[in-house]
Amino acid sequence: AQSVTQPDIHITVSEGASLELRCNYSYGATPYLFWYVQSPGQGLQLLLKYFSGDTLVQGIKGFEAEFKRSQSSFNLRKPSVHWSDAAEYFCAVGNAGNMLTFGGGTRLMVKP
Amino acid sequence: GAVVSQHPSRVICKSGTSVKIECRSLDFQATTMFWYRQFPKQSLMLMATSNEGSKATYEQGVEKDKFLINHASLTLSTLTVTSAHPEDSSFYICSAAAGGMSSYEQYFGPGTRLTVT
Repeated sequence: AQSVTQPDIHITVSEGASLELRCNYSYGATPYLFWYVQSPGQGLQLLLKYFSGDTLVQGIKGFEAEFKRSQSSFNLRKPSVHWSDAAEYFCAVGNAGNMLTFGGGTRLMVKP
Repeated sequence: GAVVSQHPSRVICKSGTSVKIECRSLDFQATTMFWYRQFPKQSLMLMATSNEGSKATYEQGVEKDKFLINHASLTLSTLTVTSAHPEDSSFYICSAAAGGMSSYEQYFGPGTRLTVT
């Protein structure tokens, strides 16, 4: 069975600082990996995805993530955080049957 | 492209009544639609998967007679919460997947906040 772990429930960073959100997955085959962002009371917006190829993927809003098979990780990064980035971030792993399994989420707070 | 809408965005109903939530793919045909439930400050939990014209597949622990799912067309799925109770209050999110390579990606609706009084 596939599973996703986001070790950090809350993270607080200062505006302008760099950000890294951790994601570890467990999946028997080549994973399809996603990062979503959710603002309060809203649905999920896709930030980026990894299916195959280059292990460093670029997403929207200046985010990137790196797939590391040896570490079973897919960490999300941003070099300079903006106040508008404060939200809940979800990592997810998918399989060929369209099934998505979500991590528990990381709530990002941004200090001015 | 790949826009999914949900209606209503918020609904308040009395205990014992039923409420229907619609999920529509606006600019693509969704061979598969998913329904998730999200409790406050928690992750999304998959409730069921539905394919157009087929019966929905429910996750373990989800009552199929309570949460009725209909996927009558390639652009519309509905979730009906029957005989709602306060514990059914939650944020319900649908998603839709198209066929082909893009089937690995789900497009999410904005969610529906259900409050049962």
